[in-house]
Amino acid sequence: DTAVSQTPKYLVTQMGNDKSIKCEQNLGHDTMYWYKQDSKKFLKIMFSYNNKELIINETVPNRFSPKSPDKAHLNLHINSLELGDSAVYFCASSTDRWNTEAFFGQGTRLTVV
Amino acid sequence: GQQVMQIPQYQHVQEGEDFTTYCNSSTTLSNIQWYKQRPGGHPVFLIQLVKSGEVKKQKRLTFQFGEAKKNSSLHITATQTTDVGTYFCAGNRGSTLGRLYFGRGTQLTVWP
Repeated sequence: DTAVSQTPKYLVTQMGNDKSIKCEQNLGHDTMYWYKQDSKKFLKIMFSYNNKELIINETVPNRFSPKSPDKAHLNLHINSLELGDSAVYFCASSTDRWNTEAFFGQGTRLTVV
Repeated sequence: GQQVMQIPQYQHVQEGEDFTTYCNSSTTLSNIQWYKQRPGGHPVFLIQLVKSGEVKKQKRLTFQFGEAKKNSSLHITATQTTDVGTYFCAGNRGSTLGRLYFGRGTQLTVWP
């Protein structure tokens, strides 16, 4: 059973489109995250939710909007996609917000053309 | 700006050679974690260090946390081709809950 699953695994779309990435964890964790990994492998946190409450909102364009309907799900919606949004997006979860071990999903490779 | 510096960015070794990657923070960390990401894969947790001067071992991997809790290292003895991947350190500053500061990673290539 996959602990942290995100869909889709690959996403190719044109500039200007709107797309969503979904993430679910079955570990019973309280905290979930979205990370962006660029072509040079740099992992940068974007958002963090704890029990559906937004606790971290890094300097991310407001075209990116996370939504957490319950503590097991954290989705990421991106409006008006730009070329620079191309990256691998990782969802992750941890037991709590005090930075215990993070479990990462398989990643979504987003390519904007 | 970058909170946790990690060097080297790339390391190429012959199988059997040792490998070390270093992390340095400008501020004191409450703990530091290490992750490994295989090519095409996702980061996988390896270990967490909490105490000043802590040393932990996992088979051929040795992890150290500095006395001042500002630096850490991962040393692999006698590398194998299965060690290929990118190794990340991630520091936690207790004052900023929920935020792990990842280093840029060290990409390790092992030649047979």
